[in-house]
Amino acid sequence: DVKVTQSSRYLVKRTGEKVFLECVQDMDHENMFWYRQDPGLGLRLIYFSYDVKMKEKGDIPEGYSVSREKKERFSLILESASTNQTSMYLCASFPGGTTPTNEQFFGPGTRLTVL
Amino acid sequence: RKEVEQDPGPFNVPEGATVAFNCTYSNSASQSFFWYRQDCRKEPKLLMSVYSSGNEDGRFTAQLNRASQYISLLIRDSKLSDSATYLCVVNWSWGKLQFGAGTQVVVTP
Repeated sequence: DVKVTQSSRYLVKRTGEKVFLECVQDMDHENMFWYRQDPGLGLRLIYFSYDVKMKEKGDIPEGYSVSREKKERFSLILESASTNQTSMYLCASFPGGTTPTNEQFFGPGTRLTVL
Repeated sequence: RKEVEQDPGPFNVPEGATVAFNCTYSNSASQSFFWYRQDCRKEPKLLMSVYSSGNEDGRFTAQLNRASQYISLLIRDSKLSDSATYLCVVNWSWGKLQFGAGTQVVVTP
């Protein structure tokens, strides 16, 4: 079974703090993604990475950066947290090449509250 | 305009009944289509892929209409455990998925 883990289930931070969200997958997947999920908006892609040290902007990258120093680990960084970044953050991965289903495997999510 | 639109529901369904709902997508270049299921406070998980010819997986049937740009999901003989939010997902570029906001289904005894 693919396992994607995220460093925290719940996180409370203050405005202006630097926030790190960590994601680790154990299936040697090349591709990793960070989404945020808000009511009524669905999942929106923040950043993704298709290889170590490679990153691509998603649909809403503003206010975020990422780091992928090792294949299994993909970090999302909020340089200066703001209240509008309060959300559920979901990490996902899927293998390289073409898969029959293109299924993405998700971590359990981190609910971040910025006060 | 959202890329993928769904009726948020909730669809309240008696146990044993059939429920069906659609989603529409705006990008005609979309290549592949999926339904994901998300339980309350859990992560999304793939329910099934959707193929042009339509496909079934047990009590679940998915249909794709490319001409009208919508996909549908039908659940027969609903179980209490089918209560969840169903996410319509469209792949228009390799590896990048567009998610609908979800349709909530509540199956009642």
